[in-house]
This record gives sequence, C-alpha cells and structure tokens, in this order.
Amino acid sequence: EVQLVQSGAEVKKPGQSLRISCQGSGYSFSNYWINWVRQMPGRGLEWMGDIDPSDSYTNYSPSFRGHVTFSVDKTVNTAYLRWSSLEASDTAMYYCARKLVIPREQHNAFDIWGQGTMVIVS
Amino acid sequence: EIVMTQSAATLSFSLGERATLSCRAAETVGSNVAWYQQKPGQAPRLLIYSASTRATGIPARFSGSGSGTEFTLIISSLQSEDSAVYYCQQYDRWPALTFGGGTRVEIK
Repeated sequence: EVQLVQSGAEVKKPGQSLRISCQGSGYSFSNYWINWVRQMPGRGLEWMGDIDPSDSYTNYSPSFRGHVTFSVDKTVNTAYLRWSSLEASDTAMYYCARKLVIPREQHNAFDIWGQGTMVIVS
Repeated sequence: EIVMTQSAATLSFSLGERATLSCRAAETVGSNVAWYQQKPGQAPRLLIYSASTRATGIPARFSGSGSGTEFTLIISSLQSEDSAVYYCQQYDRWPALTFGGGTRVEIK
C-alpha cells in the first residue's frame, strides 16, 4: 500500500525547536516530490513548499520562507519539517503530501497525503 | 501569488441532487487546477486534476470542468458520504501553489 505516515502530535512552548516527520512506503520515495501543507484550526489549506527527495532541492512559499526548513533522509524514506523557534501562530495541523506523477505530464497536485501532525504551541 | 476564490462558503443540497461548486482564479491558470475533498478529522483527498481528470478510485459522479479562470466541480447525484469541504487548487504557477478557501457541502 502506498502511504505517507507522519509523526505524532506535539505540544511545545514558544521559542522551542521542533522537527516532525513524514515516512513514505509502498513506492520509490526518491521519485516523488514531497509537499508540506498547513491547516490552521478551522481554516483552509496553505501550501508551504516542497522538496525533491532525490537531491533535496527545495521551494518555499514566501509566507514560510525563513521560518521553516525542509529536509529528507532517503535512507529511511523520510521527509522532515523543522522549526528552530516556534511561535504561537504555528499552532496548526501539518500535512505532507506526495506530488502526482503522470508520465510525460506535469501536475503539481497531491495524490497521497499523510494523516497529519497536530502542532500546538502554547 | 494567484488568488483562488470559492465564493460559496457553504452549500446545502438534498440527497440525490446535483451539486455544483465554483472556483475562480484571479489570473488565467490554463487547466492546471485540482479539486480535493476533506472530511472532518481526515486529510484531504484528491478528486480531480488537470481541471477535469478524475483521480484513481474517484467515483464517476464527481466531474470537473473549466479552463482559464473559471472552474466547476460537479457531484451529479449527492450521496450522504459527500458531506465535506471541497478545495480547489491551482498549480499553474509552481512553485507558488495556492488553494481556494473551501466550500462546505451540507446535506439537507
């Protein structure tokens, strides 16, 4: 089964650091970009950026650039989202999602999603 | 960034009714639009990509149309399990992907 499994919920204090994870299985992890999406409580979806697991090339949405860092460890098929200094406004559900791949086509839509990691900063 | 507007925050339909959801892009995005369904407590699920192509395993009652700046998701005969929030997303301007604000579909 193709799936992304995310790490569990976190409760942190402002100023603390945090890294959450997203492990892929059932497919060739290096061949599919991983995206990160934020959903604040009761709100919609916000694209944070993406990372190419094959070479760790990253793109960040301007809204998140400089505040979060994406990384991957191909040896364990895992992508990471890291904060060095959390703020209360980081309280949200965070999803990782796999970019859809169709041969000879480009679609930055997301076909497989993790179950989400809830981050509470208080 | 391109703003995606889903003007209806909530829509109510009866079981079996045809549901039409709209999404407007502030600039032309070609056919590079996807639709997602999100039920409470769950991750989003991809329904449609390339404006009109159903994703793997999506029932035929879901269809998408549109190009340029106007897009539509249609649920041909609403089922109880279709109660959810639906989001459109443009991916024409990667890496500046944006979602609409979402439309909640309620069953009367």
